[in-house]
Amino acid sequence: GAVVSQHPSRVICKSGTSVKIECRSLDFQATTMFWYRQFPKKSLMLMATSNEGSKATYEQGVEKDKFLINHASLTLSTLTVTSAHPEDSSFYICSASQRGGLETQYFGPGTRLLVL
Amino acid sequence: AQTVTQSQPEMSVQEAETVTLSCTYDTSESDYYLFWYKQPPSRQMILVIRQEAYKQQNATENRFSVNFQKAAKSFSLKISDSQLGDAAMYFCAYRPNAGNMLTFGGGTRLMVKP
Repeated sequence: GAVVSQHPSRVICKSGTSVKIECRSLDFQATTMFWYRQFPKKSLMLMATSNEGSKATYEQGVEKDKFLINHASLTLSTLTVTSAHPEDSSFYICSASQRGGLETQYFGPGTRLLVL
Repeated sequence: AQTVTQSQPEMSVQEAETVTLSCTYDTSESDYYLFWYKQPPSRQMILVIRQEAYKQQNATENRFSVNFQKAAKSFSLKISDSQLGDAAMYFCAYRPNAGNMLTFGGGTRLMVKP
C-alpha cells in the first residue's frame, strides 16, 4: 500500500515550452501533496505544499507563476513548469500524505527534467 | 525554524557488518516525528523507519533500528548485517506534530563493500 506514481519519469523539452508533471496516489487518498526539487548529490528542497481543492503554498524563493501546482482531486496533483529554461533542469519529486495515516510522506519515483 | 544535520557526508561499511548513521536536529517542539529515508541509485525515496517523539522506545524494523535521544536531539540509524542493497543515500527528516512539512538533513551516502 501507499504507492505514489509520477509521470513522466523523464522529459526533455526545448527552452520556452511548458512541461506538466503528474503525481498520483494509487491506493490511498492524499489530503496533502508536496513537490520537491533535488539537485545532484543534494538533499530535497521543498517547493510547495498543496491541499486538495485549495491553492498551493509555495516556499520562499519559489516562483508561483513559473511552477504552477494544481491539486484537483484527492489522488492527483500536477506541477507545470511554465516557459522552461535550462536552469529549471532538475529532478522533481512529489510526495503524498495519507488521509488519517501515520503522518508519513510517501514519495513518487521522481521526474528528471532536461531543458535544452 | 527546525534544522536537521547529518554530519557524515559519506560512510563505508563491510558487508555483514554494522554501521551507524548520525542525525541531530534542532526544535523547540516537544511532540514531533522523525524519519529515515533511503534513496538508492534509482532515486526513489523509500521510508526506512519512523519514530514518534512521545515514544521512549526506539523504533526497529528488521535490520534497521534507531537510537533516539530526545534530550540530546539525536536520532541515529543503525544498520545491522549490512547488505549490498543497503548502498544508497540516507536522509534523516523531521516533521512537527502540527503540520506536515518535512525538513531533511543533507544526506549521508552509504557504501557497502563486498
